[in-house]
Amino acid sequence: SQKIEQNSEALNIQEGKTATLTCNYTNYSPAYLQWYRQDPGRGPVFLLLIRENEKEKRKERLKVTFDTTLKQSLFHITASQPADSATYLCARGGGTGRRALTFGSGTRLQVQP
Amino acid sequence: GEEVAQTPKHLVRGEGQKAKLYCAPIKGHSYVFWYQQVLKNEFKFLISFQNENVFDETGMPKERFSAKCLPNSPCSLEIQATKLEDSAVYFCASSPIDGDQETQYFGPGTRLLVL
Repeated sequence: SQKIEQNSEALNIQEGKTATLTCNYTNYSPAYLQWYRQDPGRGPVFLLLIRENEKEKRKERLKVTFDTTLKQSLFHITASQPADSATYLCARGGGTGRRALTFGSGTRLQVQP
Repeated sequence: GEEVAQTPKHLVRGEGQKAKLYCAPIKGHSYVFWYQQVLKNEFKFLISFQNENVFDETGMPKERFSAKCLPNSPCSLEIQATKLEDSAVYFCASSPIDGDQETQYFGPGTRLLVL
């Protein structure tokens, strides 16, 4: 089966530093990986999507990479703020956009002021 | 609407009772997904629809779970004879047929507690 692993359950960093979250997948590379943010008591909110043939994608203070050799995606938040504190979920998608997502267990990020 | 709506927010049922959850996808979105989130953020895919047709039901425990998406009605997920292990947050998500079709837009979830 296709698995997504986010090995760090929690990550604590100081405000202003860069947070780096890791997502590893098994077996074949997915067509794309997505990153979502989930706040307590709320549904996941889409942040970024990166396709298999893309190495890196950026959006404001967010950057995501896709390394098919390492079978890994890294998610970076630069100049982190306490408001960035949340759980971040990595998800793999199937061959078309209609497929269900397979989520990792998430990394809870806490940014200390 | 512009957001996925889910009702109720909370649902408490005694073991063996029926539970019914509702989801209104974003207007114009053709795909609806149901996920179950249990402890430690584990998301489990249940079922998806393309309009009113079942698209993928590989995650559905078929004995007690059923779902529908009928025209001009909210989608529903029904659990007959609930069990303690059904306690979870159930999320509905929708996605458009074109454009950013890979993105799923999630509702706020229904928290089901089975006692």
